[in-house]
Amino acid sequence: GAGVSQSPRYKVAKRGQDVALRCDPISGHVSLFWYQQALGQGPEFLTYFQNEAQLDKSGLPSDRFFAERPEGSVSTLKIQRTQQEDSAVYLCASSFYTGAQGDTQYFGPGTRLTVL
Amino acid sequence: ELKVEQNPLFLSMQEGKNYTIYCNYSTTSDRLYWYRQDPGKSLESLFVLLSNGAVKQEGRLMASLDTKARLSTLHITAAVHDLSATYFCAVAAYGGATNKLIFGTGTLLAVQP
Repeated sequence: GAGVSQSPRYKVAKRGQDVALRCDPISGHVSLFWYQQALGQGPEFLTYFQNEAQLDKSGLPSDRFFAERPEGSVSTLKIQRTQQEDSAVYLCASSFYTGAQGDTQYFGPGTRLTVL
Repeated sequence: ELKVEQNPLFLSMQEGKNYTIYCNYSTTSDRLYWYRQDPGKSLESLFVLLSNGAVKQEGRLMASLDTKARLSTLHITAAVHDLSATYFCAVAAYGGATNKLIFGTGTLLAVQP
């Protein structure tokens, strides 16, 4: 079966523009995560959905970041008024269970965002 | 706050040699993951370690977990060039409804012929 897919794979935005990043999780996966990976760093948690409910958004760096998953499947991460410090790879991950031990998160290929 | 540290950050090794990557974490967790990332690619799951003393092996890689010491190791046996990649450990953070992962900074492994 298909893995996690993300689009676009690359996005260049001028400072101040709004961007929308899409994630298609593995079919049937209940949990969906967004992470931000800066160059040379490990991924950092942004937000978590269980089905359509956003249960944790503690990692979102500012109120310019907004995520949704309205039907419990596809998710969109939106960044308003992009800044240069938003340049990073944005990774989406999904997992089947909620809280079960050994529940692996499967990652998508990421969207590389460059803000000029 | 859960923190995860890996060392070394960079490892250059010759083919055929053995080495170990270390992952320390600061607070209690009973789930530890190892991922591999190739340049420009996403993260590939290697191992999930769930209990103290857990050991898992796949090919030339073996991972272990000591929850009392809050330490995991990834041992590489007789390295080959194909193992060149960045390796991340990640620890599940408890609290609320999330199962977010806290990642280490990664170890860039370069296997030289």
